[in-house]
Amino acid sequence: DTAVSQTPKYLVTQMGNDKSIKCEQNLGHDTMYWYKQDSKKFLKIMFSYNNKELIINETVPNRFSPKSPDKAHLNLHINSLELGDSAVYFCASSIILTGELFFGEGSRLTVL
Amino acid sequence: EDQVTQSPEALRLQEGESSSLNCSYTVSGLRGLFWYRQDPGKGPEFLFTLYSAGEEKEKERLKATLTKKESFLHITAPKPEDSATYLCAVQAGYGGSQGNLIFGKGTKLSVKP
Repeated sequence: DTAVSQTPKYLVTQMGNDKSIKCEQNLGHDTMYWYKQDSKKFLKIMFSYNNKELIINETVPNRFSPKSPDKAHLNLHINSLELGDSAVYFCASSIILTGELFFGEGSRLTVL
Repeated sequence: EDQVTQSPEALRLQEGESSSLNCSYTVSGLRGLFWYRQDPGKGPEFLFTLYSAGEEKEKERLKATLTKKESFLHITAPKPEDSATYLCAVQAGYGGSQGNLIFGKGTKLSVKP
């Protein structure tokens, strides 16, 4: 039974399109995150939600909009995709603001 | 600025050849230092948390240690299944990055039989 699951696993799309990635966790955690891992394998936080409220919002373009319908789900919508958005996006969850994160398997986004 | 530097970038070992990975950090009030393992095509998997200098944690062939400026991940008699990228992260206690995990770029470990 997967703890943190995200879909889709692969996304290939054209510049200018809009896409969404969905994430669900069944661990009962209060806090969920979106991380971006670029081609150099650097893992960087984008957003964090606690009980559906945004608590961390790093310097990310407005084209990225997270949405948390409930504390078990955190989705990421990306508008007007650019080449530089190509990366692997990881969803994660934890007990509030601990460093012990449980990651999903990642969603590889390729923008052509 | 809070940052994490890991070395070496890549490490090749023979099975049974022990070694150490290094994680140097600067952070505003260390709240915790974390080690993760990442296999190709997978998300990072949590290994250890260290909170204060002098602390050590062990799990099978891995032992993590912490000083005021760096952490080491010691791998004793590694096996091929230990091959992975090992990520170090710190959590700041205050400042602009407070609460965030700041990751290093990782050390890619390959263990040959």
